[in-house]
Amino acid sequence: EAQVTQNPRYLITVTGKKLTVTCSQNMNHEYMSWYRQDPGLGLRQIYYSMNVEVTDKGDVPEGYKVSRKEKRNFPLILESPSPNQTSLYFCASSPGHKNTEAFFGQGTRLTVV
Amino acid sequence: DAKTTQPPSMDCAEGRAANLPCNHSTISGNEYVYWYRQIHSQGPQYIIHGLKNNETNEMASLIITEDRKSSTLILPHATLRDTAVYYCIVSSYNNNDMRFGAGTRLTVKP
Repeated sequence: EAQVTQNPRYLITVTGKKLTVTCSQNMNHEYMSWYRQDPGLGLRQIYYSMNVEVTDKGDVPEGYKVSRKEKRNFPLILESPSPNQTSLYFCASSPGHKNTEAFFGQGTRLTVV
Repeated sequence: DAKTTQPPSMDCAEGRAANLPCNHSTISGNEYVYWYRQIHSQGPQYIIHGLKNNETNEMASLIITEDRKSSTLILPHATLRDTAVYYCIVSSYNNNDMRFGAGTRLTVKP
């Protein structure tokens, strides 16, 4: 089954404790991205990757890092989480050429206390 | 990318057609119109997309005006499970640069 898998689905952590949210897709997609969703602000893009070893900032990249060492995985790294990073996070992937749909993961609800 | 304007909320009776409008008056010639929906806090789900011709698939129909400045998503026979937030997105390069607005919260009522 074609899917984008995020882990964990839920996470509560403390300020400053490094964490990684994993994202994996099984569709051999070139393009992957991360979004965060907050009440009243909708979905905002954090980082995206056009292919292996190619990443770029989205609209709200501060406080986040990503890596794309292999095509299927695109982890989101919070080196020093803060309470304002409490949010619902989504990973997405698509084939990377025009006229195609994006597939989203089921989300990771992160709480930083 | 072009911005889109959607009504914040709409209601629809179960079994009736749901018509969700979207304005994208600054759309460029190479930009596609995409529709996604999000049920509760699940990941957004692709519905349909088009460039200038009307499109139909098993989920919905997309009607794009001739000047491409607006479009309508039609769910022909809405069910309770179609209750969701519907997003209209205009994308220039491909859907790799999607900008989600506030969307339309569709409530299907029995």
